[in-house]
Amino acid sequence: AQSVTQLDSHVSVSEGTPVLLRCNYSSSYSPSLFWYVQHPNKGLQLLLKYTSAATLVKGINGFEAEFKKSETSFHLTKPSAHMSDAAEYFCVVSSLSNSGYALNFGKGTSLLVTP
Amino acid sequence: KAGVTQTPRYLIKTRGQQVTLSCSPISGHRSVSWYQQTPGQGLQFLFEYFSETQRNKGNFPGRFSGRQFSNSRSEMNVSTLELGDSALYLCASAGRPELVELFFGEGSRLTVL
Repeated sequence: AQSVTQLDSHVSVSEGTPVLLRCNYSSSYSPSLFWYVQHPNKGLQLLLKYTSAATLVKGINGFEAEFKKSETSFHLTKPSAHMSDAAEYFCVVSSLSNSGYALNFGKGTSLLVTP
Repeated sequence: KAGVTQTPRYLIKTRGQQVTLSCSPISGHRSVSWYQQTPGQGLQFLFEYFSETQRNKGNFPGRFSGRQFSNSRSEMNVSTLELGDSALYLCASAGRPELVELFFGEGSRLTVL
């Protein structure tokens, strides 16, 4: 069985300060992990992905995430928030099950960036 | 390269009606998956098709069905609509069968009155 827990439903940061969005996962198999971003009334856009290569993954728009197997975490960070980063962020785990590849989405973290 | 296209973008139906939503994947992508997004339940997986075969299905009632055509375009159908079916329905395509990376459309927003 696999699951994803996003530890914060809402995160508020000031523009120019660091961003940390937390994600823990559980998976019976070696997982692939993703972070997606969704702006209002839009589809999801891939920020970055981990697929068993380097544990520190760099994505678009200055975001990065570190895969920590011992902590079963895949937290998303950015050194300095921009106003345009305000959106909903989803952590996703993809892993192999008896019925094929399955995807589990976290509940999402809403990021608010204040001036 | 055109992205994933979903039609219609918005629609309003009444309880008991049925609805069909369409998804055109990125050219060359053979995997199409569908998701329901609601404020209460978040993003939930509906089903995934690869080369016209349903490979995986989420925990939804039989009123939700889908299919994929030989050109990889996919449709999903919801029959006997209920108020709780109001949601944003997202379609995603993938170029590899192991779903390593998904490309999402902008969704079809269904309102059931």
